[in-house]
Amino acid sequence: AQSVAQPEDQVNVAEGNPLTVKCTYSVSGNPYLFWYVQYPNRGLQFLLKYITGDNLVKGSYGFEAEFNKSQTSFHLKKPSALVSDSALYFCAVRENSGNTPLVFGKGTRLSVIA
Amino acid sequence: DSGVTQTPKHLITATGQRVTLRCSPRSGDLSVYWYQQSLDQGLQFLIQYYNGEERAKGNILERFSAQQFPDLHSELNLSSLELGDSALYFCASSAERSSYNEQFFGPGTRLTVL
Repeated sequence: AQSVAQPEDQVNVAEGNPLTVKCTYSVSGNPYLFWYVQYPNRGLQFLLKYITGDNLVKGSYGFEAEFNKSQTSFHLKKPSALVSDSALYFCAVRENSGNTPLVFGKGTRLSVIA
Repeated sequence: DSGVTQTPKHLITATGQRVTLRCSPRSGDLSVYWYQQSLDQGLQFLIQYYNGEERAKGNILERFSAQQFPDLHSELNLSSLELGDSALYFCASSAERSSYNEQFFGPGTRLTVL
């Protein structure tokens, strides 16, 4: 069975500093990995995905994520955080074969302090 | 704006009642997914429809049912409502020719059961 772990419920970072939101996953085969962001009272917005190829994936709003197969991780990063990045971030995984559903982590609340 | 619409935005009802939530996918998307988001359970996949047919089932209770109509809109029916059904219900859509397509989420319906 697929699973995703986001070990931090909350991440606090000062504006202008780099940020990292952690995600580890478990699948039987090869993964498709996704990051979504949820702003208050809004639906989830797609940020980026890893399908295959380059382990460093670039996405919306300056975010990027690094796929690490040996560590089964897909951490979300941004070189310089903005106050407007404050939101709830979800990592999600599905297997790249068959019709398996997308499984989400519990989410990490990012708070960027001015 | 993701292009996915959901109605109503808010719904307040009593225990034992039945409600219907509606979702219109992005233009051209054949797959519709339903999710339940609650504080204690996180984001849970309920069910997926593809071009009118049920494709995958997640943690959906027997009291809940869904369907996708020929015009591709979908409805989620929740019956014999309990207090614990209070949650945000999201619909998402994707092209779903391949499982690596990202899903686009609607703004959600907030259900409150009193």
